[in-house]
Amino acid sequence: NAGVTQTPKFRVLKTGQSMTLLCAQDMNHEYMYWYRQDPGMGLRLIHYSVGEGTTAKGEVPDGYNVSRLKKQNFLLGLESAAPSQTSVYFCASSGISQPQHFGDGTRLSIL
Amino acid sequence: SQQGEEDPQALSIQEGENATMNCSYKTSINNLQWYRQNSGRGLVHLILIRSNEREKHSGRLRVTLDTSKKSSSLLITASRAADTASYFCATDARTGAQKLVFGQGTRLTINP
Repeated sequence: NAGVTQTPKFRVLKTGQSMTLLCAQDMNHEYMYWYRQDPGMGLRLIHYSVGEGTTAKGEVPDGYNVSRLKKQNFLLGLESAAPSQTSVYFCASSGISQPQHFGDGTRLSIL
Repeated sequence: SQQGEEDPQALSIQEGENATMNCSYKTSINNLQWYRQNSGRGLVHLILIRSNEREKHSGRLRVTLDTSKKSSSLLITASRAADTASYFCATDARTGAQKLVFGQGTRLTINP
């Protein structure tokens, strides 16, 4: 059982470049989430989805877009990367009335 | 803004001792959850306590919840070196979609 899988694990970008982070879950969960974790800040919610074809903004959505075309996948896009988006990004999923399951993160550096 | 404030930010104890971490939050909640994060890894769910519960146990973990004080504590008994990790509280604050708001975490170090 893979659980929640995030790709890539590491990435270095230049300012202004774009990229997509992929999250895949094999637990048939309805809910999926993208967080960023910065030193001393805990996790902050970027965007989330309550089901296939739905997305919604979290606490810090600016500069990011998401899509959930398939139930098992949740994509996070950076259209024009900025140094302030240097962070560790975590994806999580959960079933209804269940705790969240996390991937191991993507470490992203923007130069 | 973050819902939870955790105390202490860092805790270092000897193996075999008990470790207590505290979490305070600001708004009404459906439940409060505790997660563990080992270095370089994702968060792992430890325990969930609902707003109508006051205490919950799971193995060496004991969680209490005081909704009148908007606070929770996590006690790890008979600590082991493998318990070294960061511990986060997270609140489901009734905003829908089971969204969680995380505290800043407590970094726990168990010295052999």
